[in-house]
Amino acid sequence: EDQVTQSPEALRLQEGESSSLNCSYTVSGLRGLFWYRQDPGKGPEFLFTLYSAGEEKEKERLKATLTKKESFLHITAPKPEDSATYLCAVRTNRDDKIIFGKGTRLHILP
Amino acid sequence: DSGVTQTPKHLITATGQRVTLRCSPRSGDLSVYWYQQSLDQGLQFLIQYYNGEERAKGNILERFSAQQFPDLHSELNLSSLELGDSALYFCASSPPGTTQETQYFGPGTRLLVL
Repeated sequence: EDQVTQSPEALRLQEGESSSLNCSYTVSGLRGLFWYRQDPGKGPEFLFTLYSAGEEKEKERLKATLTKKESFLHITAPKPEDSATYLCAVRTNRDDKIIFGKGTRLHILP
Repeated sequence: DSGVTQTPKHLITATGQRVTLRCSPRSGDLSVYWYQQSLDQGLQFLIQYYNGEERAKGNILERFSAQQFPDLHSELNLSSLELGDSALYFCASSPPGTTQETQYFGPGTRLLVL
């Protein structure tokens, strides 16, 4: 069964304390892996798309990486405004379905 | 502001009723996606349309249906509503071509079934 698991469920960091969020996936064929940020009561905001193992993408303090089994979202020197829920999703080759993980709630303390 | 609009913002209805949620994609986007987000299930992909045609189907119940019209706006119809259908419903759109995997989400419609 295709599935996406994110860990940890929640993470509290001090401002400036770097860390990584994990997204493990099991799919029959990966068409793409996506990272989104979601603020409370709002729609998800697109961050990155990764297509193949070894690929990396960066945006400001965020860097996403991909292996054959998992993806990491690295957050370097985070600021309080980086507090949000970070969602990982995959799109399958077989039937084009999109499967989201439950997300990681990130809280950056000033 | 993503450029995707959804109406209504809030909807309160009773069990057994039928509602229609509306989505207007960003200008130039051909794909529309529908999602359901609840506290226990997280974000669930329902269905995707591309230029009026159904493209991919997720965990959409038979009581739910959707369509995309010639002007590219989309409607999600929910019928025989149950308490468990209470959730946030998001619409997203994506452009054609190489960036088609980039989805822009609307603000959502919050549905409460009493």
